[in-house]
Amino acid sequence: DIQMTQSPSSLSASVGDRVTITCRASQSIINYLNWYQQKPGKAPNLLIYTASSLQSGVPSRFSGSRSGTDFTLTISSLQPEDFATYYCQQGYLSPWTFGQGTKVEVK
Amino acid sequence: QVQLQESGPGLVKPSQTLSLTCTVSGGSISSGYYYWSWIRQPAGKGLEWIGRIYTSGSTNYNPSLKSRVTISEDTSKNQFSLKLSSVTAADTAVYYCARDNYSSGWYQDFWGQGTLVTVSS
Repeated sequence: DIQMTQSPSSLSASVGDRVTITCRASQSIINYLNWYQQKPGKAPNLLIYTASSLQSGVPSRFSGSRSGTDFTLTISSLQPEDFATYYCQQGYLSPWTFGQGTKVEVK
Repeated sequence: QVQLQESGPGLVKPSQTLSLTCTVSGGSISSGYYYWSWIRQPAGKGLEWIGRIYTSGSTNYNPSLKSRVTISEDTSKNQFSLKLSSVTAADTAVYYCARDNYSSGWYQDFWGQGTLVTVSS
């Protein structure tokens, strides 16, 4: 299975901060990397697919990028509703695998 | 707008079979373009993909669960189902159904709200 490693596992930030979360794949996944946001008690919500494509309805402050096997989710200006846990996932090779999650908390 | 809803028993005894159904509305599971997945999440932990089914009945399973998992479909009811046999406490989790979409890679763009299944005697 392809292993997905996210960092950090948690971070503290304030409203208005620029936030960056990184995900590394254990092998090449081309650009088949997705990002999800999950709030407590809710299902994950797709934010970004194929590394940098913004899902319909997702605010433009969310963006994704790739450098080799490293992928980055950036929130340009953190909003109150963005405090949540974020997961990366590879959609290149079955079984689809997720990172362990990054919890974004209030500073 | 596609909507998915999981249903099934919230409590299953150890060694028995967990059975869940996902009812899809706002789109047909037999449309021929999407796969339909099951994903689970133990409390306080990460996400684990269980497997998926295509309209032809073709399935893909996570090798870690393959020996115990069966995913099937009922196109007349626009539903797909999960059976997980020989369950233990380690199978206690929130189970989600989701739609697999493809755009140069697979991703889940619509999810059910999730249903908690507890394995306990």
